[in-house]
Amino acid sequence: GAVVSQHPSWVICKSGTSVKIECRSLDFQATTMFWYRQFPKQSLMLMATSNEGSKATYEQGVEKDKFLINHASLTLSTLTVTSAHPEDSSFYICSASGGIFNTEAFFGQGTRLTVV
Amino acid sequence: LAKTTQPISMDSYEGQEVNITCSHNNIATNDYITWYQQFPSQGPRFIIQGYKTKVTNEVASLFIPADRKSSTLSLPRVSLSDTAVYYCLVGEAAGNKLTFGGGTRVLVKP
Repeated sequence: GAVVSQHPSWVICKSGTSVKIECRSLDFQATTMFWYRQFPKQSLMLMATSNEGSKATYEQGVEKDKFLINHASLTLSTLTVTSAHPEDSSFYICSASGGIFNTEAFFGQGTRLTVV
Repeated sequence: LAKTTQPISMDSYEGQEVNITCSHNNIATNDYITWYQQFPSQGPRFIIQGYKTKVTNEVASLFIPADRKSSTLSLPRVSLSDTAVYYCLVGEAAGNKLTFGGGTRVLVKP
């Protein structure tokens, strides 16, 4: 199967700062990437859908100005959590699909964000 | 997007077969059924996908009845390392906007 890599795996930041998380498809061109958030003992919650070269589509209740998504190339999407607060602490996961892998989504390993 | 319903948790023992049934009464004609496995602090991992009847790969089988309103993931001879949360998702293959339900927490005991 395809490989999707997230970086960093974990990050600790101070309240009020911004954090960028990268999601890369290593061996295929991802026309679509998705960003999820997962709180402890809960399921994944879709935050937004990003298509290469266009603006991301955010799910209801997700602040687009707080969670900036950029999908500038077919292999890279970034999620920037701006002015992070402790309640933004969560596990962020991306998934990607596209090309020959258009019938299933491949997930990154996730990024644990802790805001102190 | 079709909603899915799964048992919250299941316990099993090493070597046994585990069957997890997922209900998706509102599944659409173009929807596929996909199962993912997730370990703590890791991203979900694709297990199997199907549209109808039976699909089998090296790790699992997926049984889908003719009406497609449910599906059953079968894990043969589980081991301790199969302890994880298993998610059933329903959606169109193209675009893959996947909405996760609650998942089933499977605990394999020695």
